[in-house]
Amino acid sequence: DQQVKQNSPSLSVQEGRISILNCDYTNSMFDYFLWYKKYPAEGPTFLISISSIKDKNEDGRFTVFLNKSAKHLSLHIVPSQPGDSAVYFCAPLWEGAQKLVFGQGTRLTINP
Amino acid sequence: DVKVTQSSRYLVKRTGEKVFLECVQDMDHENMFWYRQDPGLGLRLIYFSYDVKMKEKGDIPEGYSVSREKKERFSLILESASTNQTSMYLCASSLNPLVNGYTFGSGTRLTVV
Repeated sequence: DQQVKQNSPSLSVQEGRISILNCDYTNSMFDYFLWYKKYPAEGPTFLISISSIKDKNEDGRFTVFLNKSAKHLSLHIVPSQPGDSAVYFCAPLWEGAQKLVFGQGTRLTINP
Repeated sequence: DVKVTQSSRYLVKRTGEKVFLECVQDMDHENMFWYRQDPGLGLRLIYFSYDVKMKEKGDIPEGYSVSREKKERFSLILESASTNQTSMYLCASSLNPLVNGYTFGSGTRLTVV
């Protein structure tokens, strides 16, 4: 029973364009939604998060949008840069559990 | 900076061996976690611990056990390694996931032959 789904295993975007990574979830108890970025042979690193009381959070080139009614969130990266090439994981949690649940990940490739 | 250190980057073990994966964090975090990462499956939680000598099963605990004798150290044990346990193992720690999520180690790539 997958609570978190990232339906695109991979995404290829041209440098300078917008990258949009999507995430769907089923558990309405999730309070916070985090995005992690992972390079090969390294551990994931925290990128950006959003609380369930908001619908948008922006940090530089990164913006996360949350649509609670659709149980959907997306990460926008603009403009995309070659260093953004990595695997991105969506990871929601609910305050009661304090435990992240990870999606399957999307491998983003930025082409020069 | 919080540092989570996993003792080995690469390990090769034989089927049936007992394997210990060690993880140490230096920021006095109470929460520690072990995940495995496999292609197409994302990160799956094996075990976690909210305090010393405390442990809870995650989503895929079968074939694994853990030990947390000290706050800073969380060990993952494969009692009898099998080839389906070949994977990337990631340790993480956190103080308050709501504030700053988890901090991960660099991972241990385990191959069981």
